Amino acid sequence: SQQGEEDPQALSIQEGENATMNCSYKTSINNLQWYRQNSGRGLVHLILIRSNEREKHSGRLRVTLDTSKKSSSLLITASRAADTASYFCATRVYGGYNKLIFGAGTRLAVHP
Amino acid sequence: GAVVSQHPSWVICKSGTSVKIECRSLDFQATTMFWYRQFPKQSLMLMATSNEGSKATYEQGVEKDKFLINHASLTLSTLTVTSAHPEDSSFYICSAIPQAGGELFFGEGSRLTVL
Repeated sequence: SQQGEEDPQALSIQEGENATMNCSYKTSINNLQWYRQNSGRGLVHLILIRSNEREKHSGRLRVTLDTSKKSSSLLITASRAADTASYFCATRVYGGYNKLIFGAGTRLAVHP
Repeated sequence: GAVVSQHPSWVICKSGTSVKIECRSLDFQATTMFWYRQFPKQSLMLMATSNEGSKATYEQGVEKDKFLINHASLTLSTLTVTSAHPEDSSFYICSAIPQAGGELFFGEGSRLTVL
C-alpha cells in the first residue's frame, strides 16, 4: 500500500529557480530516500536520509527530515531544464524485508 | 554501479495470453527482489517481494495466481502475467538488493500493453 503523500503533484518553474517538493508518510521508518524518474524510464537514486538525521546535502540537492511530523522535503537549487522529471520519496519501514514504499510523486517541469 | 536488467523493455500481447518479464542482477547476487507496477502519471505500487528459493510475498490486493513470481536463482526473478487483460497494461519495474546489503537497485522497467 502507498505510504506517503507528496505535494505538489506538479510543479512548473523557470531555469535557475529553486524547486521544493514535500513528502509525508504514515508509519515509523528506518530511512527515507528520494528518487528521480525520467518519463517511461527506471528510477535513479538521489539521496538517502536516515531516521536520526535532520538534513543532508548532495550537490544541488538538500533533503530535510522531520520525524515528529513524519515529513520530508527535497530542495533542488538553481534548477536546470535537465532536472525535468518525476521525483518520488520512498520509505523503508521497520521489519519490511527492506522493501520501499513510494509516495505519490511530484512531476517537475523546468522551462529554459 | 550495480546494474539490474529487465527484459523485455516493452511487450505487446493479445488478451488472454501470458507474458513473462525477467529481472536480472548483473554484477551482484540478490536474495531479495521486488516487483512494482506503475500506471501512467502515478507512483510505483509494490506488488510482491521475491525471495530466492521460496514463495513470493504478495502485497494486499495483488492476485498471486495472476502475477506468478519465480526467483529460482540469486540473479534472476521472473514475473509472469497470466491470462493478460487490457487492464494489466502497465509499467512493471523490478528492484534488487545485494545479498551483502546496501541500497536497492532498479531495473529500467518493462512496458506491457495488452490489446
